[in-house]
Amino acid sequence: DAKTTQPPSMDCAEGRAANLPCNHSTISGNEYVYWYRQIHSQGPQYIIHGLKNNETNEMASLIITEDRKSSTLILPHATLRDTAVYYCIVQETSGSRLTFGEGTQLTVNP
Amino acid sequence: AAGVIQSPRHLIKEKRETATLKCYPIPRHDTVYWYQQGPGQDPQFLISFYEKMQSDKGSIPDRFSAQQFSDYHSELNMSSLELGDSALYFCASSLALWGYSYEQYFGPGTRLTVT
Repeated sequence: DAKTTQPPSMDCAEGRAANLPCNHSTISGNEYVYWYRQIHSQGPQYIIHGLKNNETNEMASLIITEDRKSSTLILPHATLRDTAVYYCIVQETSGSRLTFGEGTQLTVNP
Repeated sequence: AAGVIQSPRHLIKEKRETATLKCYPIPRHDTVYWYQQGPGQDPQFLISFYEKMQSDKGSIPDRFSAQQFSDYHSELNMSSLELGDSALYFCASSLALWGYSYEQYFGPGTRLTVT
């Protein structure tokens, strides 16, 4: 699986959009970009995933660059409950292990 | 909606004892994964099962073994426990279909403390 690089920490004001970047320059054509988050000591929570098109669900939006070497997770209106470690993970197909990197600690401030 | 169930939620054992962690996946999910998260660390993959057969193996110590049963629940057996085994153990489940990509759903974890 391709390696990902994320900033170690970010801050965001409550109610504002949180934009979390991820670099995955060695991603291959059949690998998906997944985002999970972990709120303190809870089980990781799936957020969104995509292959090459931008995706949106009730939690977030995922923007993938045309060359697929980077992506951005967007939380449109961050709340205090969005404070968590966010992991960007590249995975080939379902049934494969998730390889967690160091993630980004997002802190949403009141 | 049904989620992944793990039991027990907390477990305290002494060194050299054994422990068994149980995982009940989301109904109709055919793949189960086990992850270990040490204090201040990121989750690390241990082992996975697809349709009751081991499908992948990560950095799982030889003292640990796991299996998936006919009802798809899985158990992680840990023997000769060491202090370093103290961690959160997460189970996750998903569908697995070649050519498709499905997300993993995680349980709440079992916190194992070895004293």
